[in-house]
Order: sequence, then structure tokens, then C-alpha cells
Amino acid sequence: GAGVSQSPSNKVTEKGKDVELRCDPISGHTALYWYRQSLGQGLEFLIYFQGNSAPDKSGLPSDRFSAERTGGSVSTLTIQRTQQEDSAVYLCASTPTGRSSYEQYFGPGTRLTVT
Amino acid sequence: SQQGEEDPQALSIQEGENATMNCSYKTSINNLQWYRQNSGRGLVHLILIRSNEREKHSGRLRVTLDTSKKSSSLLITASRAADTASYFCATAPTGSNYKLTFGKGTLLTVNP
Repeated sequence: GAGVSQSPSNKVTEKGKDVELRCDPISGHTALYWYRQSLGQGLEFLIYFQGNSAPDKSGLPSDRFSAERTGGSVSTLTIQRTQQEDSAVYLCASTPTGRSSYEQYFGPGTRLTVT
Repeated sequence: SQQGEEDPQALSIQEGENATMNCSYKTSINNLQWYRQNSGRGLVHLILIRSNEREKHSGRLRVTLDTSKKSSSLLITASRAADTASYFCATAPTGSNYKLTFGKGTLLTVNP
């Protein structure tokens, strides 16, 4: 079946502009995650959505970052007034519910470059 | 701060050799997972070991977990050029099965 998809695959933007990154999780997966991976670094947790529960936003680095998940499926990560330090690969993952749902299925990522 | 730290940062071996990567972490965990990231691709889950398990196998992969030392190792036997990738350990803290914390990864290069 289809995996997690993300768009765009690459985004180049000028400093100060807003960007929207999209994630389409695997159908039926109720949990969705956003991570950021800077060059040569591990993944940094940003936000977690689970069903209709309030999201865990504890990883968002500043109030310029926000995310929505509409209808329990597609999610959009928005970065306002982008800065050069926002340049990174933004990865989305999803998991099904249940006790065996620890494994996270990742999308290919969006490479964001802020010039 | 990073919960998991992989060691070594980079490893280069010949095809057919075994590769061992280590991961250390700081707090108590629910489970520890290993992921692989090929160049230009997303992460792929390899194996999960729970805190009450000590060893797990999956194909050519063997993972060990020592909760007393807060460490894990990933062994890839009979390596292939296709195993060339970055390998990350990720820990889920006790009480949370979703909030994974990833290390910086080990870059494995398998030379044909």
C-alpha cells in the first residue's frame, strides 16, 4: 500500500517568508509525528498528533512553528518568517493505534532551504 | 539534549564482514528502536527491543539491550554494499511509547 507522502520534496525560500509543508500519513494511521533533521544530526521531535486528542507540541522550537491536522489525516507544518537556521529536512511519520504501534513509518521528507 | 548517542560516528568495512554499532542513552526507557536511513530516502524501521528483553534477532540483524548500562548494540552480519546507510537508535521513554528521541547516527559504509 501507499506509504507516508510529503510535499514538496524540496523547498527553497527567502528569509522572512512563510512556508507550508504537507504530510499525508498512511491510511488508517491515527498517530502522526513531525521531526526536523539538520545536516549531520539526528532527528529532533517537533509535534505529535493522536486521533482527536490535543497534540503534543512540546518540541516546537519557537512560536513561528505551528502544525495542524485536518480530519484526522493530512497534516500541515507551517513555519512563519523563516530564518536560515530553519534550513533542514522535515520528516513526517505515522503509526497505527494499538499496543504494537511503536514502529514509526516515515515519509521521504521535505528539504527546506532558507536563503 | 540527545537521549541516544551512537558509537562510532562512522564505520567502514568490507562486504562480508560484520558491523557493530553501539547506542547509549540516559533515562529509563519503554523500548529502543533502530532505524536505517539511506541517502536520499526516509527512515526505515529495522527492529524494536523492549526494556524487558535482552536480545532480539531479525534476519542478519542482532540487537542487544543492557538496561543496567543503558546501552544497546546493533550487529549486522555478512554485510552487503546495500547496507551502506546511516543507522540511528531511538528511545521511547518509560510512560511514553511515541515520543522517540534519536541519536545522531552511525554512518556505515560497506565497500564491495
